[in-house]
Amino acid sequence: EVQLVESGGGLVKPGSSLKLSCVASGFTFSSYGMHWIRQAPKKGLEWIALIYYDSSNKYYADSVKGRFTISRDNSKNTLYLEMNSLRSEDTAMYYCAMRGAYWGQGTLVTVSS
Amino acid sequence: IQLTQSPSLLSASVGDRVTLSCKGSQNINNYLAWYQQKLGEAPKLLIYKTNSLQTGIPSRFSGSGSGTDYTLTISSLHSEDLATYYCYQYNNGWTFGGGTKLELK
Repeated sequence: EVQLVESGGGLVKPGSSLKLSCVASGFTFSSYGMHWIRQAPKKGLEWIALIYYDSSNKYYADSVKGRFTISRDNSKNTLYLEMNSLRSEDTAMYYCAMRGAYWGQGTLVTVSS
Repeated sequence: IQLTQSPSLLSASVGDRVTLSCKGSQNINNYLAWYQQKLGEAPKLLIYKTNSLQTGIPSRFSGSGSGTDYTLTISSLHSEDLATYYCYQYNNGWTFGGGTKLELK
């Protein structure tokens, strides 16, 4: 059974940094591209980043480009999202997803002073 | 590519045939998916590549469309279908529509 479990969210102040993790199981993690998608409170879904299976290509939404970095460690079956210079508008539930079909339950990031 | 979903709110009764619309700002080449999200849950994939039903999804859900215009149809609405529905394109970048909230009339 495919499982994706996010962690690392929390309450942080504007301008600070946070690193999210997504641990994958139930499939060959090293064979699939992985996405990060977020959802602000009571808002819609926003795609924010994609990393290829071998980390050869990475893509970002304009809203996070230059501040967020997606990475992965295939030996640990883990996807990461490093978030710097956080803003109040980054407050959201952050989901990792595989092939669009499998999603974790999300980790909540709140940016507030 | 921008995606515009309509309507943003749809009221319907159990048993109704329901149609949700998604329009792209450019040709999507059928690389369009539909998700269902219930309150407090992660989104669930219903349809991919315009009209392919994801495993385990009831056959009352169907998708159609081409070019810039796509539709999700629920042939007979069940109470458990009340949720917000999002379209998603993966032809040129990756974008979600703004969502259609489906509620009971």
